[in-house]
Amino acid sequence: AQKVTQAQTEISVVEKEDVTLDCVYETRDTTYYLFWYKQPPSGELVFLIRRNSFDEQNEISGRYSWNFQKSTSSFNFTITASQVVDSAVYFCALSEARSGGSNYKLTFGKGTLLTVNP
Amino acid sequence: EPEVTQTPSHQVTQMGQEVILRCVPISNHLYFYWYRQILGQKVEFLVSFYNNEISEKSEIFDDQFSVERPDGSNFTLKIRSTKLEDSAMYFCASSLDRLNTEAFFGQGTRLTVV
Repeated sequence: AQKVTQAQTEISVVEKEDVTLDCVYETRDTTYYLFWYKQPPSGELVFLIRRNSFDEQNEISGRYSWNFQKSTSSFNFTITASQVVDSAVYFCALSEARSGGSNYKLTFGKGTLLTVNP
Repeated sequence: EPEVTQTPSHQVTQMGQEVILRCVPISNHLYFYWYRQILGQKVEFLVSFYNNEISEKSEIFDDQFSVERPDGSNFTLKIRSTKLEDSAMYFCASSLDRLNTEAFFGQGTRLTVV
């Protein structure tokens, strides 16, 4: 069974600090997809990134970067120079790609509440 | 930009009543999902739907729940007889392909059962 662990329940930083959110996953599949979603106080889920298991290249998008390491089953998310608007709950999620034709659910971690103080 | 829309944004219902949560997925998407998030907890998968039938459901999705795509555009979640523990945020999502290339989520419906 697939499982996602976000060990950090809450993180509090001061604006302009860098912060890394950890995500560790478990899966028996060799093909899978990893995601990060942001949930601001308004409640919606905002897609940030999708990464497949065959692509271990790190990715950078503006102040956001992701570090995918299969050897440690981790997919960590770093925000550089954090801003107050980054305050939200961040969820890591996993989707397994099994054969058979059915669509594949996302398994979410419990989320990390990030608070960026001015 | 296309988006998944959910109505209502907030619904309050009495225990034992039936509720229908409505979703309009992105028009060319083929795969549809409902997820639930109890306040302060993680987002949990309920059900996935493709080609007019359920493709997978979780243990949460018992006989009190049903889904339907009645008219080719709407995707509904019905809870037959609500319980207090059904109070949660319910998210609808849709994706173009079966691998959740990018699963687009609606803004959610907050259901409060009193």
